[in-house]
Amino acid sequence: DAKTTQPPSMDCAEGRAANLPCNHSTISGNEYVYWYRQIHSQGPQYIIHGLKNNETNEMASLIITEDRKSSTLILPHATLRDTAVYYCIVRSLGTGKLIFGQGTTLQVKP
Amino acid sequence: NAGVTQTPKFQVLKTGQSMTLQCAQDMNHNSMYWYRQDPGMGLRLIYYSASEGTTDKGEVPNGYNVSRLNKREFSLRLESAAPSQTSVYFCASIAGGVTGNQPQHFGDGTRLSIL
Repeated sequence: DAKTTQPPSMDCAEGRAANLPCNHSTISGNEYVYWYRQIHSQGPQYIIHGLKNNETNEMASLIITEDRKSSTLILPHATLRDTAVYYCIVRSLGTGKLIFGQGTTLQVKP
Repeated sequence: NAGVTQTPKFQVLKTGQSMTLQCAQDMNHNSMYWYRQDPGMGLRLIYYSASEGTTDKGEVPNGYNVSRLNKREFSLRLESAAPSQTSVYFCASIAGGVTGNQPQHFGDGTRLSIL
């Protein structure tokens, strides 16, 4: 199962873009990258996922490097409610298992 | 649309007691998963069920059993609870098969304390 590496914590000013990096150098060619977040101790909330092309939805954008060894989640206009732990996950092929690391704690400050 | 529903939300047990955590999804999803989350840690997979009638072990299956009762329901049983099993338990489900790329949907968790 491919592992991911994320910084343990980041700060962002309210209204600014939050850019959360993730390294996944052992990713296989047909494995997807998923991003989830967890607010307080609620269940993880799905944000976005991608294979090799950049993706955008109503919550965020996902930028995947051409070699697919890293990606960046972008929250375009962070709000205080975006304060959470963000997990970058490479989903295991064949089982659909999500292997969670410790994630990045994003603190959005006024 | 309830999504993934877990019961109970909170539970306190004594060491050695047994308990079943319930999970149900109303999205007609094929695959279901049980995770545990210890303080300050990411989620770890306990068991999963790729489809009705099948179950497989995850990273940390010891001390647990599961039953995929039907397509909607996937239960997790602690036969003899131990303090090390104090954790928050999350159930998740996914549309399509395990080889697809649909995201998992999570319930709100069961907070279990074992004294």
